[in-house]
Amino acid sequence: DAGVIQSPRHEVTEMGQEVTLRCKPISGHNSLFWYRQTMMRGLELLIYFNNNVPIDDSGMPEDRFSAKMPNASFSTLKIQPSEPRDSAVYFCASSPGETGIQETQYFGPGTRLLVL
Amino acid sequence: SQQGEEDPQALSIQEGENATMNCSYKTSINNLQWYRQNSGRGLVHLILIRSNEREKHSGRLRVTLDTSKKSSSLLITASRAADTASYFCATEIYGQNFVFGPGTRLSVLP
Repeated sequence: DAGVIQSPRHEVTEMGQEVTLRCKPISGHNSLFWYRQTMMRGLELLIYFNNNVPIDDSGMPEDRFSAKMPNASFSTLKIQPSEPRDSAVYFCASSPGETGIQETQYFGPGTRLLVL
Repeated sequence: SQQGEEDPQALSIQEGENATMNCSYKTSINNLQWYRQNSGRGLVHLILIRSNEREKHSGRLRVTLDTSKKSSSLLITASRAADTASYFCATEIYGQNFVFGPGTRLSVLP
């Protein structure tokens, strides 16, 4: 298996633009997670899905952030409009675990986002 | 404050020495995991230890868990330059998601 795939790997955009990050989890995994990592705040869980259903989005910073998982093999994280403070590395991870029983998470390589 | 916090924040050792990192947490957990992150990369799972386990080994890694003290330690023996990375503990509270600590930055000098 290729592991968790994220695209793009790097994104540079201007404030106010829409940004869409993409993730393909490992085939057969039931759970998918979106994290944000910054020097100041460390690794933060934004949202997680189980069987394509959003279970916990309490970490989503504000309404500018939205995430979808239309099927078991694809998820998007969208920021609209983007702001400089959104600059971070965004990780997607998947896990074979069922709801409430989380096992090992497998991380993608991340998308490094810079909002100018 | 963090559910799980690693200590020290940064550690610098010579190649061949052992490296010990600690993780303390506040509430009872179901299990605890250690992850490694190389610069510019995603996190890689190292070891999972459940609340009813006290010690686990994987190659040069040894993890202990003391639920009475709400702490865990990660020991890397005979360290190598390639072990240079940030190490994170992730605690799972029953029925909830993992919470990652801020990490320990380990530098292994050749």
